[in-house]
Amino acid sequence: ETGVTQSPTHLIKTRGQQVTLRCSSQSGHNTVSWYQQALGQGPQFIFQYYREEENGRGNFPPRFSGLQFPNYSSELNVNALELDDSALYLCASEIAGKNIQYFGAGTRLSVL
Amino acid sequence: KQEVTQIPAALSVPEGENLVLNCSFTDSAIYNLQWFRQDPGKGLTSLLLIQSSQREQTSGRLNASLDKSSGRSTLYIAASQPGDSATYLCAVLYNFNKFYFGSGTKLNVKP
Repeated sequence: ETGVTQSPTHLIKTRGQQVTLRCSSQSGHNTVSWYQQALGQGPQFIFQYYREEENGRGNFPPRFSGLQFPNYSSELNVNALELDDSALYLCASEIAGKNIQYFGAGTRLSVL
Repeated sequence: KQEVTQIPAALSVPEGENLVLNCSFTDSAIYNLQWFRQDPGKGLTSLLLIQSSQREQTSGRLNASLDKSSGRSTLYIAASQPGDSATYLCAVLYNFNKFYFGSGTKLNVKP
């Protein structure tokens, strides 16, 4: 058990819709990162939040956005969904500076 | 551009064999490297973390080595067991906050 919980586990949306994915981290884990994992690929870094501020972003467009809350929960929002957004979305939390990330089980998003 | 490559993409071995998984990275200015395990439908479990100043780390039957100058890391699994069957991912950390993952090696250990 990593202590990181993601919801929902599965989600089906249609192209053009918006989606919000949620992540709940361990108490004290002030850093959360989000990743997109396409089938058969390794996870790709979307962005990281530290103390509720974005702290680095990968090569993803602005329609991918996030929030981090003081209670160690966070959200990934994706607007104007495209078919290629279908993937497993993983969140990972850590204590800043420790560089050991604890991953949730992920949310599998299917865009039809 | 940072790239991480894992070879082979898939590996099938009989139980009891020792095996080596390979990871290579293009930019040697890494902060650390981690090996993860991913079971089907699950998230990632951290196996070993090697800091850039270290050469290897060991945990039980697992040993990971790091050669920054050549841009390579290996994960050695001794006396493989069917329960080791999973996808193994290596991830390289740059700039304190950006992990770059390889595509993984899918391991099948046959009883």
